[in-house]
Amino acid sequence: QKEVEQNSGPLSVPEGAIASLNCTYSDRGSQSFFWYRQYSGKSPELIMFIYSNGDKEDGRFTAQLNKASQYVSLLIRDSQPSDSATYLCAVLNAGNNRKLIWGLGTSLGVNP
Amino acid sequence: ETGVTQTPRHLVMGMTNKKSLKCEQHLGHNAMYWYKQSAKKPLELMFVYNFKEQTENNSVPSRFSPECPNSSHLFLHLHTLQPEDSALYLCASSPGNSGLAGAGELFFGEGSRLTVL
Repeated sequence: QKEVEQNSGPLSVPEGAIASLNCTYSDRGSQSFFWYRQYSGKSPELIMFIYSNGDKEDGRFTAQLNKASQYVSLLIRDSQPSDSATYLCAVLNAGNNRKLIWGLGTSLGVNP
Repeated sequence: ETGVTQTPRHLVMGMTNKKSLKCEQHLGHNAMYWYKQSAKKPLELMFVYNFKEQTENNSVPSRFSPECPNSSHLFLHLHTLQPEDSALYLCASSPGNSGLAGAGELFFGEGSRLTVL
């Protein structure tokens, strides 16, 4: 069974701190990794994706990928109350049968 | 404001009703999707269309019937639903189903919240 696991939280951080969201996956053939943000009552919105080992930065967001450890993370620097949302990790496998496998999401609260 | 619009936003129906959900994308994408989101479950892929052709039916019960008349429009026809079908139904589109982003770079509509009584 191919799985994506996330800590459901809630994760609570003070405003201005670094929020660290983690995701592990079971399929070693996974190719690309996605982070989505979902505000309460809204639909998911793609924040960024990564496919190479290492870090990828976009503004206050940094995605980190370690394929050997089957681990992907999202760091949010200078966290703001507007970052309070559920963050969904999704993993795309390779091959002809490309499927996107979703985690349950981590709820993040940023306290002013 | 999203490039993918869904109607209706809320729908309440009885188990014997027939209704349809509509989705329209204004992004020029080639692939469209129906997802189901329920509490405490990961997003569930229901159907995938690439260039109007259905390429995925993820073992969805026949009481859900998709229709894709063109690359911009997607429907989900509902009939004889069960209370456990109550959920948020999300439509999404993506530029395509290939490449490193492929089916992972999704643009979602705001969803249709369905309640089956």
